Amino acid sequence: EVQLVESGGGLVQPGRSLRLSCAASAFTFDDYAMHWVRQAPGKGLEWVSGISWNSGIIGYADSVKGRFTISRDNAKNSLYLQMNSLRPEDTALYYCAKGRGNVCPYPLDYWGQGTLVTVFS
Amino acid sequence: QSVLTQPPSASGTPGQRVTISCSGSSSNIGSYTVNWYQQLPGTAPKLLIYTNNQRPSGVPDRFSGSKSGTSASLAISGLQSEDEADYYCAAWDDSLNGWVFGGGTKLTVL
Repeated sequence: EVQLVESGGGLVQPGRSLRLSCAASAFTFDDYAMHWVRQAPGKGLEWVSGISWNSGIIGYADSVKGRFTISRDNAKNSLYLQMNSLRPEDTALYYCAKGRGNVCPYPLDYWGQGTLVTVFS
Repeated sequence: QSVLTQPPSASGTPGQRVTISCSGSSSNIGSYTVNWYQQLPGTAPKLLIYTNNQRPSGVPDRFSGSKSGTSASLAISGLQSEDEADYYCAAWDDSLNGWVFGGGTKLTVL
């Protein structure tokens, strides 16, 4: 069974940084694109960023462009999200999700349980 | 304001058939396939329908999807109490170069 386990969330002040991690198992990690999707409390889903199988193609939502950086380590079956210059509006549950194919336009088919990021002053 | 438009709520009684609509534009639904997610209370989203009308293994055939032009819909037949959840549509958007979601529809089983 595909497993995605996020970690690294927490409480942080505006302007500070946080690094999220996602540990993947039970599938060939380097065959698939991976994504971060967030959900603010009581709100809907918002795609944050995606990365192709070999890190060759990376995309970001306009709301995080220039502040967040997605990366992956295929040797460690891990996905990361470096979040800088955090804002209160970045407060959300951050999900790691697997794509059905090797590039980003393939559907997201498995999701982790999420890690909560709270940005407060 | 979500890029894809869904009704905020829908409801039905057990056994009934309900549909949830999703409206987009030429840069997303008009050019790419649509996927639907079910989010039960307090849990992560689960892929329900992909590529407009395909069901992943384990999803009951009570759930079906369709797409026409820049709109799509999810149909749930034989409604059950465990279907009470939030439902989201999603599609790739080539002008934003990313995934876009609908705002979600909260389904209540009366």
